[in-house]
Amino acid sequence: DVKVTQSSRYLVKRTGEKVFLECVQDMDHENMFWYRQDPGLGLRLIYFSYDVKMKEKGDIPEGYSVSREKKERFSLILESASTNQTSMYLCASSLLLAGGNQETQYFGPGTRLLVL
Amino acid sequence: AQKITQTQPGMFVQEKEAVTLDCTYDTSDPSYGLFWYKQPSSGEMIFLIYQGSYDQQNATEGRYSLNFQKARKSANLVISASQLGDSAMYFCAMRTPYSGAGSYQLTFGKGTKLSVIP
Repeated sequence: DVKVTQSSRYLVKRTGEKVFLECVQDMDHENMFWYRQDPGLGLRLIYFSYDVKMKEKGDIPEGYSVSREKKERFSLILESASTNQTSMYLCASSLLLAGGNQETQYFGPGTRLLVL
Repeated sequence: AQKITQTQPGMFVQEKEAVTLDCTYDTSDPSYGLFWYKQPSSGEMIFLIYQGSYDQQNATEGRYSLNFQKARKSANLVISASQLGDSAMYFCAMRTPYSGAGSYQLTFGKGTKLSVIP
């Protein structure tokens, strides 16, 4: 079974702090993703990565950065946390299929971040 | 741009009854994939079922089936014989083929909260 783990289930930080959210997958997947989920808005893509050291902006990258130094690990960084970044953060990974569609994304358990 | 619409914010269903969760999509790509995910209150997203745009038959996985109507651009999830454990948020999502940066992502709908009544 694919396993995607996230470093924390719950996190409380103060405004202005630098926050690191870590995600690790154990299935040698090329693609990794960070989403945030807010009530009534569904999931919105922040950043994704299709290879080590490669990253692409998603729909809402402002205020975030990412790092992928190893294939299995994808980190989301909030450089200076703000209260509007209070949210549920979900990491996902998927296998790269050349020209294909059927790459199911497997999700981690999520991190509920509260910024005070 | 791709778009997924789930028009039902919440649904109730009696235990052991069937329920249909609606999903419509919009894309100009002829090749795409449609996914349904379940999110219990614990937070993890669980993959349920997949339908490819060129698949001739509707996808089925146990009690889950996908009513795929390509001309109407709809991909409704049908859950048969509902169970209390089916109470959760359900998300419809779409993926289009790689055509450059930005195409690996899934586009999600806003979700439907299903409540199963004993």
